[in-house]
Parts: sequence; C-alpha cells; structure tokens
Amino acid sequence: AQSVAQPEDQVNVAEGNPLTVKCTYSVSGNPYLFWYVQYPNRGLQFLLKYITGDNLVKGSYGFEAEFNKSQTSFHLKKPSALVSDSALYFCAVRDREGRRALTFGSGTRLQVQP
Amino acid sequence: NAGVTQTPKFRILKIGQSMTLQCTQDMNHNYMYWYRQDPGMGLKLIYYSVGAGITDKGEVPNGYNVSRSTTEDFPLRLELAAPSQTSVYFCASSGGTSGSPITSTDTQYFGPGTRLTVL
Repeated sequence: AQSVAQPEDQVNVAEGNPLTVKCTYSVSGNPYLFWYVQYPNRGLQFLLKYITGDNLVKGSYGFEAEFNKSQTSFHLKKPSALVSDSALYFCAVRDREGRRALTFGSGTRLQVQP
Repeated sequence: NAGVTQTPKFRILKIGQSMTLQCTQDMNHNYMYWYRQDPGMGLKLIYYSVGAGITDKGEVPNGYNVSRSTTEDFPLRLELAAPSQTSVYFCASSGGTSGSPITSTDTQYFGPGTRLTVL
C-alpha cells in the first residue's frame, strides 16, 4: 500500500528566510506526487504536482518542490517566506490507476514570523 | 466558475439522526471523491466515483452511502449518525476518464468543506 510521511508537525521560519516542508513517500512503481495548502476554515488548494520529467517542479505562489527518487522524497520549498504563507500543508500521492484517489500525509503547519 | 461547492457549511446532529451532504461540481469532471479530515490527521477517502452511475468504497466507508446520478452531483448520506463521524468532510473532483493515462487535467479540486458535529 502507498503511504506518505510528513515528519514535522510544525515548521517555524522568519519572514524572508527560505522554507522547506518535508515529505517522503512509499509507493510501488512511479509516484504521482502533489502538494496542497489549507488556510483556516478553507478547503485544500492545489500548489503543484510531479508526474514525470524535471525533478524540480514549480507551482503557485512561488513554491517549488524537488523530487528525489533515491531518497523517496518530495520536499516543498520557497526561497523567501511570507507571513501570508502561514497555513497547513499536505503532501499526497495518487493512485496510479483505478480510483485515482489521493493518499495524504498528516500535514505540516507552517508558521512564518514577521 | 464556481468549481466544487458543498452544502451545508456547518451542521450539528444528534446521535442516530441522518443527513445528506451535498456536493456539486461544474467542471464536467468524471471523478468525484469524498474525504474526511479528523484533527491532526490527513484526509481519508470515504467513497469515490469514476462517472455517473459508478461508485465504490474508499478506506473508511462504514456509516456512509453515496450515489452518482449525474456528472455534477455526488451526495454523501450519513445514516444513524455517531460521534465518531464528527469531522470535516471534503468533496473533490478531477478530470479524466477511467482507463485513460494521467494527464494534466487530473489535479483534484476541493470544495470548502462541511464541518459536522455529532452529539
């Protein structure tokens, strides 16, 4: 069965500093990986995805993620954090076929201090 | 473009009551999903549908039922509500057809959620 791990419940970073939110995955075969962000009392918003191709994926709001097959990781990054980036971030892996549902990590709360 | 809409936003039920959570999407997506989000946890799949008339169970289907009579609508029915069903429920949809390879249209889009409390 596929799974996703987000080892940090919370990440704290100062505004203007780079940020990294970690994600590791376990799947059989090639992974399809996603990052979503959730603001308080809101639904999940899509940030970016890796399907195939370049290991560095660029997404919305200046976020990017690096796919590393040997380390089975898909860490989310941003060069310069904003206070408005404070939210809950979810990494997910998608079923390759069939139902095409997402398996989510437990989420990482990002807190950006001014 | 409304995307995925859910009603109601909030609901409090008593143990044993029933209710239907509504979900509608206007993107002509074939795939639709229901997830629940418990505090401190990721989302877990309750039911999904790959097209009108076709539904199947996810990881946590007990206590729920779904139907998919149209492409747009995917209601979730709770029968005999229990405190363990207290959660936030999210509906999602994505494009693509069953059996087709993954494409750029396969991103899942989520509704705003329904916060349900069972007392």
